[in-house]
Amino acid sequence: QVQLEQFGAEVKKPGASVKVSCQTSGYTFTAYNIHWVRQAPGQGLEWMGWIDAGNGYRRYSQKFQGRVTITRDTSANTVYMELDSLRSEDTAVYYCAREVNAFDYWGQGTLVTVSS
Amino acid sequence: QAGLTQPPSVSKGLRQTATLTCTGNSTNVGYQGTAWLQQHQGHPPKLLSYRNNNRPSGISERFSASRSGNTASLTITGLQPEDEADYYCSAWDNSLTAWVFGAGTKLTVL
Repeated sequence: QVQLEQFGAEVKKPGASVKVSCQTSGYTFTAYNIHWVRQAPGQGLEWMGWIDAGNGYRRYSQKFQGRVTITRDTSANTVYMELDSLRSEDTAVYYCAREVNAFDYWGQGTLVTVSS
Repeated sequence: QAGLTQPPSVSKGLRQTATLTCTGNSTNVGYQGTAWLQQHQGHPPKLLSYRNNNRPSGISERFSASRSGNTASLTITGLQPEDEADYYCSAWDNSLTAWVFGAGTKLTVL
């Protein structure tokens, strides 16, 4: 079955970077796009960007352009999202989601807390 | 970035019908249609429908979606206690070249 696994939680200080992983299984990794969506506490969903797992093409939300990098490792069927220059407003659950016309499978989310 | 507009909350009684709305414009909702997601507290979102009214396997027929112009709707019939959740609409915005979400509607089943 299709699975997107996200592990653990992260606590970071303002100004630091965080790299979150999304390990996939149960389908052909290179056939789908993977997106990153975050959700601040008590708030709605916010799209950050995506990567074509097949060719590596990436596109980011204008809001995060220059601060976010999405990469993939085809040998490990894993996608990564790195967010730089963290600030308190970046405290959120970060989800990866598979996409074909819509976000059909989601990871469990990784809580990233930014606090001094 | 501009998002989609959803009412913050809707309340309906058990076994009643709820209709949730999502308003956008011609570059998102009116372009390739809308997907609907359900999210229970503490869980990731779950896809209910996509491209206006396609249901993934395993999703109950009680959930149906439609679109009229730049407004999408999700209708839930025979409301059950487990339907109490947050519902989000999402769409690809061809002008922003970005995915956009609504702010979500909290559905309360009385």
